[in-house]
Amino acid sequence: DAGVTQSPTHLIKTRGQQVTLRCSPKSGHDTVSWYQQALGQGPQFIFQYYEEEERQRGNFPDRFSGHQFPNYSSELNVNALLLGDSALYLCASSLVGRANYGYTFGSGTRLTVV
Amino acid sequence: AQSVTQLDSHVSVSEGTPVLLRCNYSSSYSPSLFWYVQHPNKGLQLLLKYTSAATLVKGINGFEAEFKKSETSFHLTKPSAHMSDAAEYFCVVGRSGGYNKLIFGAGTRLAVHP
Repeated sequence: DAGVTQSPTHLIKTRGQQVTLRCSPKSGHDTVSWYQQALGQGPQFIFQYYEEEERQRGNFPDRFSGHQFPNYSSELNVNALLLGDSALYLCASSLVGRANYGYTFGSGTRLTVV
Repeated sequence: AQSVTQLDSHVSVSEGTPVLLRCNYSSSYSPSLFWYVQHPNKGLQLLLKYTSAATLVKGINGFEAEFKKSETSFHLTKPSAHMSDAAEYFCVVGRSGGYNKLIFGAGTRLAVHP
C-alpha cells in the first residue's frame, strides 16, 4: 500500500523564479494538505484541497497556490521565490471527515532558494 | 482557535531511562491530539493519536500519552529509551471532522546517550 509520494525530493531555485511541487496521496485518501517546515521549526499549514477546490488556507501570501486533480493528486506552486521560501514542503493526505484518524505525510521536498 | 506549546525544546536522556516530552494545548473545540516523530531528513510518522476515546493512548515503539482535559496536557512518555528514539517530536492539535488543519508545536529534540 503506497503512502504519500512527493516529487522532487530536492530542488534548488533562484530568487524570483517559480516552482511546482507534486504530491500523490495515500491510496483511498481524498484530501491533500500542504505544510511548510522551515529549518528548526514545526510545520505550518499552507492550504488544503478536497474535490479539486481549496477548502482552507493558512497565513500564506497569494504567491502560494495549488491545484488538485481528479485522481486526488496535488500540486503546490510558488511564484516569485524569496530566500525565506527555503524550507521542507510536506504533503499530507487524509479522508474528509476522518482527519481525526490521522494524516499520512510524505517525506517532503527540500526547496533551497539562492 | 487552537494552539500547542511544547514545554521543552531539547530533552536528553540515557539509554534505558524513561522519556517524558511535555505538551500543553489550547482548543475551542473538542480536540484531536497527535504525536508525530521526525527522524533526520525524513518525513513525519504518526506515533499515536487521541480522538475522544480512552484518555490513555498507546502508540508505536512503546510510546504512550495521557490526555488530561483539566490540565490541557498531552504528555508523551516511554518507560525505557532506545538509541533509535533520538529524533524530533511534534505535538499536534486538530479538529475532528470536516476540513481540518493541523497545528504543530515547535518540536522537542530528543537526544539519547549510551
